[in-house]
Amino acid sequence: DTAVSQTPKYLVTQMGNDKSIKCEQNLGHDTMYWYKQDSKKFLKIMFSYNNKELIINETVPNRFSPKSPDKAHLNLHINSLELGDSAVYFCASSQELTGGDHFGNGTRLTVT
Amino acid sequence: DAKTTQPPSMDCAEGRAANLPCNHSTISGNEYVYWYRQIHSQGPQYIIHGLKNNETNEMASLIITEDRKSSTLILPHATLRDTAVYYCIVRARGSNTGNQFYFGTGTSLTVIP
Repeated sequence: DTAVSQTPKYLVTQMGNDKSIKCEQNLGHDTMYWYKQDSKKFLKIMFSYNNKELIINETVPNRFSPKSPDKAHLNLHINSLELGDSAVYFCASSQELTGGDHFGNGTRLTVT
Repeated sequence: DAKTTQPPSMDCAEGRAANLPCNHSTISGNEYVYWYRQIHSQGPQYIIHGLKNNETNEMASLIITEDRKSSTLILPHATLRDTAVYYCIVRARGSNTGNQFYFGTGTSLTVIP
């Protein structure tokens, strides 16, 4: 069974479009995250979210917004896509105070 | 910016121990040291973490210096499947988790047959 799954695996779209990436975890974890890995392979957290609070990395543009319909899902919405948004986006989850983050296999976003 | 520094690359002979160092001289008292690895095109994989005591699990051992300014990840018997980029990060745990943590550039470990 896949622990953290995200869809789609690949996403190609044009500048200015709005897109969403979905993420689901079946581990019962209470915290979920979105990370961005750019072309230089730098991995940076974008959001940390549990049922109590959303922590936003202030360097993330407000065109990016996480949406959590329930504890097992954290979707990423991106408005007005820009070329610089091209990257691999990873969803992850963890149980606070124990263990590390479990990552999905990533969504490769290409903005043309 | 990442709060850790690691050598960009290392080689290790198959079957030997791989010792990956990490410096985190500005680590805070409530921050843990975490190690992850990323095999090409896959999501990062959690390996181990610790606060100040040495830790061991089925994958690796983590040795943290007494002053906590550096640590070493030890893969006791490296295999070809351990070839990956290894990231050392520091982060706090708990309800007020800091959101400014970056993975840095990591160490690209190549296990040689």
